Amino acid sequence: QKEVEQDPGPLSVPEGAIVSLNCTYSNSAFQYFMWYRQYSRKGPELLMYTYSSGNKEDGRFTAQVDKSSKYISLFIRDSQPSDSATYLCATRVEGAGNKLTFGGGTRVLVKP
Amino acid sequence: DSGVTQTPKHLITATGQRVTLRCSPRSGDLSVYWYQQSLDQGLQFLIQYYNGEERAKGNILERFSAQQFPDLHSELNLSSLELGDSALYFCASSAGTSAETQYFGPGTRLLVL
Repeated sequence: QKEVEQDPGPLSVPEGAIVSLNCTYSNSAFQYFMWYRQYSRKGPELLMYTYSSGNKEDGRFTAQVDKSSKYISLFIRDSQPSDSATYLCATRVEGAGNKLTFGGGTRVLVKP
Repeated sequence: DSGVTQTPKHLITATGQRVTLRCSPRSGDLSVYWYQQSLDQGLQFLIQYYNGEERAKGNILERFSAQQFPDLHSELNLSSLELGDSALYFCASSAGTSAETQYFGPGTRLLVL
């Protein structure tokens, strides 16, 4: 079993809808949680970063972390066709360098 | 553009061969990370260097090695290549050893035939 699990999708939504993405993880030592966006044939790009439990909002993006259930979420409001990409959740443990553990990614398609 | 550069963009080689992937971090960043992305394994951490020294190691095969040079660029050497080594190899950089933001390069696509 992978340390971070993520539904591969694809997740298809109409333009303007809310996109809801989530990951589960097994290692309770994970304290930092990130969401990366990856367009086809490009490198991952950091979208959101959260430390421990709680919510964080940045424009159309909201990240949530629930450490009690080992569950992390990303919501994209007013989705646009340009949001079509693969979204990767990532976690890391305090210390131990800066090794990131990624989920497998969810492919999202926003249809005009 | 993240500021991280990787060369070459594409590499096609044969089994048993050796290749070298190169990465230049963002200006001012001292840490360099290497990741492998394949369809079946996803994005996996290989190794981290900080200011020339190895800092953390992941699931890196013994056939693979890396180093970071005094000018902070890094090279990932892959030897005795196998078909299963075909993947996207990403380099990322960050300012320090525990800085939360890693900036990824565009990747090198390796195809082993």
